[in-house]
Amino acid sequence: EILMTQSPVTLSVSPGERVTLSCRAGQSVSSNLAWYQQKPGQAPRLLIYGASTRATGIPARFSGSGSGTDFTLTINSLQSDDFAIYYCQQYNNWLQSTVTFGQGTRLEIK
Amino acid sequence: QVQLVESGGGVVQPGRSLRLSCVVSGFTFSDNGMHWVRQAPGKGLEWVGGVSYDGSNQYYADSVKGRFTISRDNSKNTLYLEMSGLRTEDTAVYFCAKMAVAFSFFFDFWGQGTLVTVSS
Repeated sequence: EILMTQSPVTLSVSPGERVTLSCRAGQSVSSNLAWYQQKPGQAPRLLIYGASTRATGIPARFSGSGSGTDFTLTINSLQSDDFAIYYCQQYNNWLQSTVTFGQGTRLEIK
Repeated sequence: QVQLVESGGGVVQPGRSLRLSCVVSGFTFSDNGMHWVRQAPGKGLEWVGGVSYDGSNQYYADSVKGRFTISRDNSKNTLYLEMSGLRTEDTAVYFCAKMAVAFSFFFDFWGQGTLVTVSS
């Protein structure tokens, strides 16, 4: 199983700021990396796939980068609606039935 | 619009069985692989497994392999998760999720989830 490690666990920021969330894979996952946003009591929402492609309807202030083992999700000009938990997920090894999520980064209002 | 609605959750004793359903609408169900992802209370997301668009292939996480079975009925636009030998650590909200792209296990639409509590 590929371990996905996100950092930091919690991030306190103010609206309008720019933030960068990190996700590291235990081994290379190429660009087979997705990011999701989850708010309390809601299902996850796909933000980014293929490490850097925004999903349909996702604002341009969300961007993803990286390949191999190190990935980042950047959110520019944070809005109040962006405060949530963010998960990365690798899907590189699906043939071996290993799809793994990171433990999440909680984005809090400072 | 795309909708996925899970049902079948509840309280069940350890060792017992439970079947979850996920009825979908708003897209061609038979064209898409479907998956289950769970989330224990206050914890992160854990992939459970999935099934190919035609039901011919199933994929499972090691934690549920041999105990859980994923199937689908394309005539009813319904995905199933048959859970047996339930353990307390299976307590979670179970989400069904639609694969966004063939041969890539990431998910563009999710249901709201159904809670399964395994407790004596």
